[in-house]
Amino acid sequence: EAGVAQSPRYKIIEKRQSVAFWCNPISGHATLYWYQQILGQGPKLLIQFQNNGVVDDSQLPKDRFSAERLKGVDSTLKIQPAKLEDSAVYLCASSLTGAGNQPQHFGDGTRLSIL
Amino acid sequence: GNSVTQMEGPVTLSEEAFLTINCTYTATGYPSLFWYVQYPGEGLQLLLKATKADDKGSNKGFEATYRKETTSFHLEKGSVQVSDSAVYFCALSEKGGADGLTFGKGTHLIIQP
Repeated sequence: EAGVAQSPRYKIIEKRQSVAFWCNPISGHATLYWYQQILGQGPKLLIQFQNNGVVDDSQLPKDRFSAERLKGVDSTLKIQPAKLEDSAVYLCASSLTGAGNQPQHFGDGTRLSIL
Repeated sequence: GNSVTQMEGPVTLSEEAFLTINCTYTATGYPSLFWYVQYPGEGLQLLLKATKADDKGSNKGFEATYRKETTSFHLEKGSVQVSDSAVYFCALSEKGGADGLTFGKGTHLIIQP
């Protein structure tokens, strides 16, 4: 089966600019996650979708980050305006259901550098 | 809130050595526990999991047992190989609903021939 697809692979922008990332989950997976992984740390959950509804966005910095999954399939994550501390790898993952015992399948991530 | 603590790396071992990577957790309920691995140049992938106390997860010669009494999920392998060199992440998720993963910081394992 095709894995989780993310684009772009790399992005370099200046602070205060905006940026968007795209994710296409594994076909049939109802649950989609965005994680932020800062260098040297483990991934941190930003937002979880179940179909097109938000389940958990408690760690999403809502003053600058937004995400949507309008048709319950693809998702986009946006940062506006970007800050230096947003430099990280942004990972998208999907799972069949959000039951807590299903494995999450990760994409290769988008590496964001803020100048 | 939930948290995961794992031993800092890098951990350097010789081929065929015994491996233990310690992982302890703090959670409000009874979470599912996971080990994910990231090989050089590749994405995160699930290595093994356990969903309830005393369960043992195993894969590729690696094992970890869910110990509720010590809130631990240590990763072990009897004889490591150079191809096991990677970054290993311990993680937990609550069951049902909001099941996003809480990760440890990762342990970089280096196996020398």
